[in-house]
Amino acid sequence: GEDVEQSLFLSVREGDSSVINCTYTDSSSTYLYWYKQEPGAGLQLLTYIFSNMDMKQDQRLTVLLNKKDKHLSLRIADTQTGDSAIYFCAEKGAEGSTLGRLYFGRGTQLTVWP
Amino acid sequence: ETGVTQTPRHLVMGMTNKKSLKCEQHLGHNAMYWYKQSAKKPLELMFVYNFKEQTENNSVPSRFSPECPNSSHLFLHLHTLQPEDSALYLCASSQEGTGGVEKLFFGSGTQLSVL
Repeated sequence: GEDVEQSLFLSVREGDSSVINCTYTDSSSTYLYWYKQEPGAGLQLLTYIFSNMDMKQDQRLTVLLNKKDKHLSLRIADTQTGDSAIYFCAEKGAEGSTLGRLYFGRGTQLTVWP
Repeated sequence: ETGVTQTPRHLVMGMTNKKSLKCEQHLGHNAMYWYKQSAKKPLELMFVYNFKEQTENNSVPSRFSPECPNSSHLFLHLHTLQPEDSALYLCASSQEGTGGVEKLFFGSGTQLSVL
């Protein structure tokens, strides 16, 4: 299957920017996603980007996609303690691939210090 | 509240027990899924139901048996599980046909421990 890699941990101070990085191997990816999982909860879709875009901004979130290098990043501006969670990168393969088949990374635990 | 409700939240069972996990979605979606989240492993897609029909069984052992009586409800029947089946089992739903982007809505999961 396709590989999606993320670093496991990131610590930042409150008010700083956080950057979570992800690499993937599937060159036919159509959509790439960022999900957030808070303790005791399921995954929540934060944002997504279509593969023909290189940037998407949504309030404090900025997604950058380098399709050539198969690198995706999520930048959280003015990080707050409430942003502490696990962030998952996921990619969707070529059109017509199995419904629901997203390939997830193992998640990056973001810890925000006050 | 994501609109996807899973029960129970926690389950401890012996290897000879039979139990069922339940999922209900209130979003009007037409597709539902079971995912397995194990420590230190990526999320694994187990089963896919589209309009109540199972369209994917991702090489899941037969000790896991899904059931989808209607588009809003999904069950996962468990029997003779192994300790390595201990994990967080997540249910998700989505609406097919939204122009390619596939937005999954997850429940909070059932944390399963097999003794």
